[in-house]
Amino acid sequence: EPEVTQTPSHQVTQMGQEVILRCVPISNHLYFYWYRQILGQKVEFLVSFYNNEISEKSEIFDDQFSVERPDGSNFTLKIRSTKLEDSAMYFCASSGQGILKKLFFGSGTQLSVL
Amino acid sequence: DAKTTQPNSMESNEEEPVHLPCNHSTISGTDYIHWYRQLPSQGPEYVIHGLTSNVNNRMASLAIAEDRKSSTLILHRATLRDAAVYYCILHYGGATNKLIFGTGTLLAVQP
Repeated sequence: EPEVTQTPSHQVTQMGQEVILRCVPISNHLYFYWYRQILGQKVEFLVSFYNNEISEKSEIFDDQFSVERPDGSNFTLKIRSTKLEDSAMYFCASSGQGILKKLFFGSGTQLSVL
Repeated sequence: DAKTTQPNSMESNEEEPVHLPCNHSTISGTDYIHWYRQLPSQGPEYVIHGLTSNVNNRMASLAIAEDRKSSTLILHRATLRDAAVYYCILHYGGATNKLIFGTGTLLAVQP
C-alpha cells in the first residue's frame, strides 16, 4: 500500500533556529495536512492545504509556521524561530478526493527544541 | 465537529473479541463515524468508517446504533499488534477537511 514518507525521523535544534520538516504525500492525493502530538497529549490539527493554498489552520498555526508544496511531490512545514514548546512529534498526512477524506499519516518527525 | 466519549482504557486477551464503545449523542445527520488507531511510536492509521449501516473490512467491524448516538468498533480476534489508542471521530467532509482527535481508548492486549 502506498505510504506517506517523512524526513527526518528525528530533528534536534536550538531555540530560535529555523527548522523545515519534510513530507512526501501519496502521489495522487490532493489534500495535505500537518498535525502534531506533544508527548502524552492528543494529536492536534495544525493546518490543511489544498490547491496550493492553506484551506484551514488552527490557533496553534501562528505566524511562526508556514507550509509549502515546492514541487509536485514534497510538502514542508517550516517553523521560523523554534520555541521550547514546539517540541513534539509532527505528523504529515494526505488524502484523496471525495467527501470521506480518509487520511493517511506518516510515521512522524520527532522535533526536540533545546 | 460533534463530541465523542470513549473509555480511557480497556483490556483484552489475545485471540478474543474486543468491543470498543463510542458515544456521540450530538451527532448530526451528515456526520460520518470514523475510527483511527495509533500504534506506539507511529502516526494514526485509518481503521474503518460508516454513516448508518454496519460496516466490515479486513481490520474490523463497525456497529452503529439505530439512532446513531453510539457505535462500537469490533476487533474479532485481538492480537498483540492491536494494542494501540483507538480514536472515534465524527466528521462531516462537506464542511471541513480536517479530523479532530480526542483522547481515545488505550487498548491493552494480554497474551
